[in-house]
Amino acid sequence: GAVVSQHPSWVICKSGTSVKIECRSLDFQATTMFWYRQFPKQSLMLMATSNEGSKATYEQGVEKDKFLINHASLTLSTLTVTSAHPEDSSFYICSARRADFNSPLHFGNGTRLTVT
Amino acid sequence: QKEVEQDPGPLSVPEGAIVSLNCTYSNSAFQYFMWYRQYSRKGPELLMYTYSSGNKEDGRFTAQVDKSSKYISLFIRDSQPSDSATYLCAMRGVSFGAGTTVTVRA
Repeated sequence: GAVVSQHPSWVICKSGTSVKIECRSLDFQATTMFWYRQFPKQSLMLMATSNEGSKATYEQGVEKDKFLINHASLTLSTLTVTSAHPEDSSFYICSARRADFNSPLHFGNGTRLTVT
Repeated sequence: QKEVEQDPGPLSVPEGAIVSLNCTYSNSAFQYFMWYRQYSRKGPELLMYTYSSGNKEDGRFTAQVDKSSKYISLFIRDSQPSDSATYLCAMRGVSFGAGTTVTVRA
């Protein structure tokens, strides 16, 4: 099956610093990758959609300058949380999809970010 | 109206029972349907991927699609405590239900 690796699985950082999260598709080419945020006992909240080689499309209410997304290759997308604050503490998950619009998403295992 | 509606539960069943989960959707253009299982503090894992109306079986899991009613279901037979998780339905892979939390009691 398709494998998506997300790293790190957890990170603790100080307020004001930036944190980068990586999402890699290990055995397929991911034309599109998605980034989500998930609060405890809630469903996935889509933050942005990124297509390889182009700018990410952010959902309404998501600050693009705070959550920088780069999808430089068909196997790697990164999410950088800039100038993190305690309210940015959350579970961040990525998913990846092949070129076929109707193909299923494959998810990473998430990153638990804690900002102190 | 949300594109996908799913009862968040929670749902608690005894071991060995059949778990029945369902979602409704509003966009008749949806043709591909997925069910994901998410354990606590993990990413969702693809369980079932279906296209047409009808049933698809995989081990103890059966996915059912009724496009005329815009209704999809997931059944888990002979449920086990390890099936305790949150189950999310998805359409086209990007429109998700809220997720139903299932607990299977030993």
